[in-house]
Amino acid sequence: DQQVKQNSPSLSVQEGRISILNCDYTNSMFDYFLWYKKYPAEGPTFLISISSIKDKNEDGRFTVFLNKSAKHLSLHIVPSQPGDSAVYFCAASGASKLTFGTGTRLQVTL
Amino acid sequence: SAVISQKPSRDICQRGTSLTIQCQVDSQVTMMFWYRQQPGQSLTLIATANQGSEATYESGFVIDKFPISRPNLTFSTLTVSNLSPEDSSIYLCSVEDEEWPEAFFGQGTRLTVV
Repeated sequence: DQQVKQNSPSLSVQEGRISILNCDYTNSMFDYFLWYKKYPAEGPTFLISISSIKDKNEDGRFTVFLNKSAKHLSLHIVPSQPGDSAVYFCAASGASKLTFGTGTRLQVTL
Repeated sequence: SAVISQKPSRDICQRGTSLTIQCQVDSQVTMMFWYRQQPGQSLTLIATANQGSEATYESGFVIDKFPISRPNLTFSTLTVSNLSPEDSSIYLCSVEDEEWPEAFFGQGTRLTVV
């Protein structure tokens, strides 16, 4: 039972444009949501998070939006840069553990 | 933020053998976590390791297959026993940040079983 889903395995965006990565979840008990970025041969690194009591959190080029009624969150990266090319995982926190999605591979092209 | 050193970074093992993965943190942490990432899959939590107590395993993972040690607040090991090709995965250790749940990860161990 996949409680956190990222339905797009890959995304290609032109440099300077907006990247939008999506994530859906099923468990309404999740109280915190996070995005991680992963480069090859490295562990995931924390990017940005949002509490379930908020609907938006912004940090520089990265903004996360949460729609609790739809059980949906998205990560917006603007403007996208070639260095943003990586696999992005969304994760949800509940019961003192994280549940991860399957990841979306973002490719930012020149 | 915690700095996590995980060893080995990769290994190729014969089926039937075991591999022990080490995770060293540069600060004392209460909880350490071990994850598995199978090819094309998400990160799946194997177990939570607390110092001074038995590890807590997630559904589908058992101590005989994945024994864990946590001798102090900065170190843990995960052993993957009786290896089969299905165990070929990336194994990651993770620690909780002071601002849980923003966890930090080691660089991972890529295991290939032949």
